[in-house]
Amino acid sequence: AQTVTQSQPEMSVQEAETVTLSCTYDTSESDYYLFWYKQPPSRQMILVIRQEAYKQQNATENRFSVNFQKAAKSFSLKISDSQLGDAAMYFCAYTPYSGAGSYQLTFGKGTKLSVIP
Amino acid sequence: EAGVVQSPRYKIIEKKQPVAFWCNPISGHNTLYWYLQNLGQGPELLIRYENEEAVDDSQLPKDRFSAERLKGVDSTLKIQPAELGDSAVYLCASSHRTSGDTDTQYFGPGTRLTVL
Repeated sequence: AQTVTQSQPEMSVQEAETVTLSCTYDTSESDYYLFWYKQPPSRQMILVIRQEAYKQQNATENRFSVNFQKAAKSFSLKISDSQLGDAAMYFCAYTPYSGAGSYQLTFGKGTKLSVIP
Repeated sequence: EAGVVQSPRYKIIEKKQPVAFWCNPISGHNTLYWYLQNLGQGPELLIRYENEEAVDDSQLPKDRFSAERLKGVDSTLKIQPAELGDSAVYLCASSHRTSGDTDTQYFGPGTRLTVL
């Protein structure tokens, strides 16, 4: 079974600074997708960034970028120039790529990010 | 484009009462998911629909939970009777399966259920 581990229950960052959230996963699949979702207190789960495992290039989305290490099964999220609106729970999620299998997302337990003004 | 719509946003009921949650996915999305999110945890899949067919309901507690997706669009998740342990957030998500690619799931705002 696939598992996703986020080892940092809480993190904090000064506004305008950079923070990195960690995520490791366990899978026997070779093709899969990884995601970071943001969940503010409003509970809306918002997609931050997506990475295809077959791509060696790390995904970037404005101030958000990932460090994808396939061999180490590591998928960290870097937030640059942190803003007050970045404060939220961040979830790392995994789904295997399969022509006929399940597309269930497996989530980590989340990291609560606080941004200090 | 409108996002995934869920209602109600909040629901408080007495134990043993029935409750229903409604979800309207993003237009054109053929795959719909219901997730359960307990406090301090990540969401866990309850059921996944491809159009009107439930293709993965292995984690749905079928003794008290039921779901339907008539006409392959809106979906309703029901609990009857509700138990104290059902207090959680129920999230709906939808996606569009592009050819030969895993889709990205887009989530609604969720329904927070409190069972007293």
